[in-house]
Parts: sequence; C-alpha cells; structure tokens
Amino acid sequence: AQSVTQPDIHITVSEGASLELRCNYSYGATPYLFWYVQSPGQGLQLLLKYFSGDTLVQGIKGFEAEFKRSQSSFNLRKPSVHWSDAAEYFCAVGAGQAGTALIFGKGTTLSVSS
Amino acid sequence: KAGVTQTPRYLIKTRGQQVTLSCSPISGHRSVSWYQQTPGQGLQFLFEYFSETQRNKGNFPGRFSGRQFSNSRSEMNVSTLELGDSALYLCASSLGGGRSNNEQFFGPGTRLTVL
Repeated sequence: AQSVTQPDIHITVSEGASLELRCNYSYGATPYLFWYVQSPGQGLQLLLKYFSGDTLVQGIKGFEAEFKRSQSSFNLRKPSVHWSDAAEYFCAVGAGQAGTALIFGKGTTLSVSS
Repeated sequence: KAGVTQTPRYLIKTRGQQVTLSCSPISGHRSVSWYQQTPGQGLQFLFEYFSETQRNKGNFPGRFSGRQFSNSRSEMNVSTLELGDSALYLCASSLGGGRSNNEQFFGPGTRLTVL
C-alpha cells in the first residue's frame, strides 16, 4: 500500500541551527514527492517538489530536499533555521491518476527556540 | 493571480444536517482536489475532479460527494453529518495535465464543526 511516514512528531531546534525533517515513502512506481508547510489556521504552502532528474531539490525559503531511492526517503533540510520557520511540515507522495491524489504523512511540528 | 478561495471559512452544523462547501480554483486550473484534516487522522484525500469528471477517489463513505462545474469551480457535499465529520476541509487546485505538471495549490480551508 502507498504510504508516507514522518517519524518525528515534534522537533525543537535553536534559531540559527540546521534542520533535517525525515520522510520515508512506500510507492511502487517512480514517486512524485512534495513538502508542504502549514502555519496555524492556514492552508498548505508548497515548499518544494520532486518529479525526476536531479535528486537534490531546491525550494522556497531556503529549504532543500534530497531524494534517495535506495532508502525510500525524501528528507527536508535547511542550513539555518529562523523563528518564522516554526510550523507544521508535511511530506506527501502523489498517487492515483495524474498523481493528484496526495498521500500525506502525519506531519512534523517544528518549534524554534531562541 | 488570485489564489484558491474557499467559502465559507467557518461553518457550524448539527448532526443529521447536510452541508455544501465551495472552492474556486486558480484561474486556468482544471483540477480540484478535496482533503479532510483532523487531529487524529491527519490529512486525508477525499476526491479529485478534472474537467467536470471525478478522476480520483479516496476512501470515504458515500455521504461525501462532490461535483465540478464547467468553470472549474467545485462543491463538496456532506449529507447526514456526524460528529466525526468535524474537520478542516481543504481544497487544492492544479493544472491537471501530466504528472509532472500537477503541483497542487491549497486554499485556506473551511472549518466545519458538527454539534
């Protein structure tokens, strides 16, 4: 069955420190992978996506993610976290026809300490 | 270009009633998807409409239905509301073509409370 696992429910990082959020997927074909961020009371904003090609993907707000097929992972990274990055982060895989049925992980809540 | 809009933003209903939520996609987008977000189950895919046809369907009961109009606007209907239907309902739109062209843009959601 297709699924996405985000092992960390909650992470706290000091401002200025580096960040890595983990994501593992289970999908039979070539996956289309996404990272979204959600601030309290808001909808989801797309940070970055992987469809094919270069396995290191750059996104908005200084985020990047690396697709590793051998590990079925698509981890999100940022070299220096800002207080405004505190939010909930969701990894998703595109399933169904045209990949438009997104399967989401349970999310990781990021807190940033000063 | 305007983003995805959802109306209403907040809704309170009682058990047994029905409700209709509306979603207007980004101009030029032909695909609209609906998701339910709850603290317990997280984000779950409901269904997707492309060019007025349901193209993908999630694992929800038949009480949840939708439709799409010729201008790509979409509505979602939930009949015989249950307490467990309380959730944030998110709509997302995309161009709808090939797989590599289908990043989804989300609206702010409709917060449904069932009493």
